[in-house]
Amino acid sequence: QVQLVESGGGVVQPGRSLRLSCAASGFTFRRFGMKWVRQAPGKGLEWVAVISYDGSNKYYADSVKGRFTISRDNSKNTLYVQMNSLRVEDTAVYYCAKMGLEWSTIYYMDVWGKGTTVTVSS
Amino acid sequence: EIVLTQSPGTLSLSPGERATLSCRASQSVSSSYLAWYQQKPGQAPRLLIYGASSRATGIPDRFSGSGSGTDFTLTISRLEPEDFAVYFCQHYSSSPLTFGGGTKVEIK
Repeated sequence: QVQLVESGGGVVQPGRSLRLSCAASGFTFRRFGMKWVRQAPGKGLEWVAVISYDGSNKYYADSVKGRFTISRDNSKNTLYVQMNSLRVEDTAVYYCAKMGLEWSTIYYMDVWGKGTTVTVSS
Repeated sequence: EIVLTQSPGTLSLSPGERATLSCRASQSVSSSYLAWYQQKPGQAPRLLIYGASSRATGIPDRFSGSGSGTDFTLTISRLEPEDFAVYFCQHYSSSPLTFGGGTKVEIK
């Protein structure tokens, strides 16, 4: 079945870096745009970054622009986000999510991973 | 940026009752590009509705969506115990896509 599994979360000090991964299976990964969405403790959902099906287009929320880099390896069916210069306010559960329509970058997300927790604290 | 405002913040109802959740957009959502998600504690969001009124695969027909322009509604016709959760709306008509703040449906 269609599945997304995130990994790479943990506790990190402010200013440090972390890379999250999302392993996809059960669908043709290279045909779908992918997104990272985060949720701070007790808060709502916030879109973080999105990447097109072929990796040629990338967009970021203002809150992470210049610090986070989204990427993908279609040969490994894996999505990544490199998070640099982490801040306390980046503390959240990070979900990867699949677009509901092939080739699209702006759409609803029809499959979500279970999430990985990032805690930024000194 | 389109701002989505959900109301009420919390809805206290009993199993079997009807739930009506509202999502209002700060500007028109073109082509009814609005989705609804359900999230239970400790779980990822699950897609319920897309295109304002189309049910996602496997979603029971007690869930229905309606609306257009700036006003959208999610209705749960008869609440089942597993429906008590937080519900988010999200538009995808333009960048950046945004989410509403959520409505918690709790057991009365």
